[in-house]
Amino acid sequence: QVQLVQSGTVVKRPGSSVKVSCEASGGTFTTYTFNWVRQAPGQGLEWMGRIIPTLNIIDYPQIFQGRVIITADKSTTTAYLELNSLTSDDTAVYYCTRGTGRPPEAFDIWGPGSLVIVSS
Amino acid sequence: DIEMTQSPPSLPASVGDRVTITCRASQSVSNYLNWYHQKPGKAPELLIYGASNLQSGVPSRFSGSGSGTEFTLTISSLQPEDFATYFCQQTYGNPRTFGRGTKVEVK
Repeated sequence: QVQLVQSGTVVKRPGSSVKVSCEASGGTFTTYTFNWVRQAPGQGLEWMGRIIPTLNIIDYPQIFQGRVIITADKSTTTAYLELNSLTSDDTAVYYCTRGTGRPPEAFDIWGPGSLVIVSS
Repeated sequence: DIEMTQSPPSLPASVGDRVTITCRASQSVSNYLNWYHQKPGKAPELLIYGASNLQSGVPSRFSGSGSGTEFTLTISSLQPEDFATYFCQQTYGNPRTFGRGTKVEVK
């Protein structure tokens, strides 16, 4: 069974960048999508984009265009999220989640989350 | 963007209750509608996909229905482990969007 193993808690200064990793342990990328979803303290879920590693397809929502970069390393089955120009509003738990890739798509496996704290 | 509206935001309930949560999409999402629950400090977990399909390993007391713009999640007999926050999600279009959540709490 695939597990998603994420990097740990980080504290960043406003204006800096953060890179979060997500390793698909126990499986391969095949045709799944890998999505990033964040959750600010006490708030709901916000989709930040996805990558289909085997097809090199990447999608970002308009709100994050130019500030988010999602990549994947097929050799290590690891996906990455890089977020630039951090502000305190980016303080959140960042989840990596696998999309089934076939319609109607669902996010069937979730990592435990990576806490990013943005503070001066 | 497709906006997902859940109701109610909060749902006081007791063990054994039948619980229904509603999710409405701002435009048709066909059956591209999923339900998750989330417990404090944990990642969300998939319950229902494609509006009415039970994810493997999820108890049969959970069921989903609807299509187009109106969807419901029903828990036939609430169990202690079901007190959590429930989210709907559409995957019909990009960006993928979630409802704001329904917190099922102890009455």
